[in-house]
Amino acid sequence: EPEVTQTPSHQVTQMGQEVILRCVPISNHLYFYWYRQILGQKVEFLVSFYNNEISEKSEIFDDQFSVERPDGSNFTLKIRSTKLEDSAMYFCASSVIAGGRDTQYFGPGTRLTVL
Amino acid sequence: AQSVTQLGSHVSVSEGALVLLRCNYSSSVPPYLFWYVQYPNQGLQLLLKYTTGATLVKGINGFEAEFKKSETSFHLTKPSAHMSDAAEYFCAVSEVPSNTGKLIFGQGTTLQVKP
Repeated sequence: EPEVTQTPSHQVTQMGQEVILRCVPISNHLYFYWYRQILGQKVEFLVSFYNNEISEKSEIFDDQFSVERPDGSNFTLKIRSTKLEDSAMYFCASSVIAGGRDTQYFGPGTRLTVL
Repeated sequence: AQSVTQLGSHVSVSEGALVLLRCNYSSSVPPYLFWYVQYPNQGLQLLLKYTTGATLVKGINGFEAEFKKSETSFHLTKPSAHMSDAAEYFCAVSEVPSNTGKLIFGQGTTLQVKP
């Protein structure tokens, strides 16, 4: 069964450093998402992406964050200058269509630890 | 703004007992409703969803949920718990209509199953 994959599974970085989290969505999916879950808190929406542009972003997704689909298979989340509060589990998801009705398939997550 | 509330961050049941995980939403228009499960060190997996039609929805692993508009609820049930059901369960909603498919999650409920 096709699945969403994410690399790395765990990333440790120093505050102020740039990190790139990578995702490979399911191949025929057209909509891509990033969510995050700070330890002990809710899963929070960060951004949705379709047709090579952001379709919606949350308040969390400020200028320090960016997303890209560089090559038609990967979907990346970049944090330019990490802060301690960026420590969280980051989940990538994809769906065939948007509109809320379609199932989003989630990857296993990348645990980001900012020291 | 939409919100999701899951009553009880931890629920403990005996193997073979009824599982009931509660979810209430706040929305001016009934949203699409989802239950996801997260096993340790894995991503979120869809259990079931309600979009339109029959309000009693059956999902994987013997789970089902009923959409009750009058109560703004979407509680998850399973008649007989199994040890393998121990996991974290998330209720989520998506706006109707939505062009982006953003999911809003509840805070999650950890299900413990005792032998």
